[in-house]
Amino acid sequence: SQQGEEDPQALSIQEGENATMNCSYKTSINNLQWYRQNSGRGLVHLILIRSNEREKHSGRLRVTLDTSKKSSSLLITASRAADTASYFCATDARQGGKLIFGQGTELSVKP
Amino acid sequence: ETGVTQTPRHLVMGMTNKKSLKCEQHLGHNAMYWYKQSAKKPLELMFVYNFKEQTENNSVPSRFSPECPNSSHLFLHLHTLQPEDSALYLCASSQNFGPGSSYNEQFFGPGTRLTVL
Repeated sequence: SQQGEEDPQALSIQEGENATMNCSYKTSINNLQWYRQNSGRGLVHLILIRSNEREKHSGRLRVTLDTSKKSSSLLITASRAADTASYFCATDARQGGKLIFGQGTELSVKP
Repeated sequence: ETGVTQTPRHLVMGMTNKKSLKCEQHLGHNAMYWYKQSAKKPLELMFVYNFKEQTENNSVPSRFSPECPNSSHLFLHLHTLQPEDSALYLCASSQNFGPGSSYNEQFFGPGTRLTVL
């Protein structure tokens, strides 16, 4: 089974609201990364959080990591229509030596 | 858009054709990757090249053949594909620090949308 799984699979909110996406994984990790993908395009790296970090911020993004629960969350505050995209978590497992992506959360922000 | 370019952006081919996808990175990275993205499926890692050496072949059928002539260029040669191979093929690059080191952020190209008839 896959390493990273996002929840929810789809999320629809109004502009200005906050969006929270969750990621769960199964094995110990070196780091966890979040990416965004606009429809049919390449992925864009958003933020990387290492296993010894608990929280990280970048602009309107806030990522938390709970290694005891093997989970991470991505919070986008004051969302904009331009935030509409798919968001993926990717885990760098300590054993396995590769970055494994989850299925993603489709976020729709309505103006 | 990013320092990773891919050509062509769209490709339609028959099952008996031979074609190649090209990826070029202008970031000075030492690792390059091919991923396959199908509808409703997670991104699937296909091949990894570290320092021009193939270090990962994720059980990919032999009808897909990668080539990495130098650290900036990566090709994916395609022959006798099946309709289920239709997908978005993404190339990525990153700067890695040797065996056993953690994976850093990856920079993706825009992808090649492949349709196999």
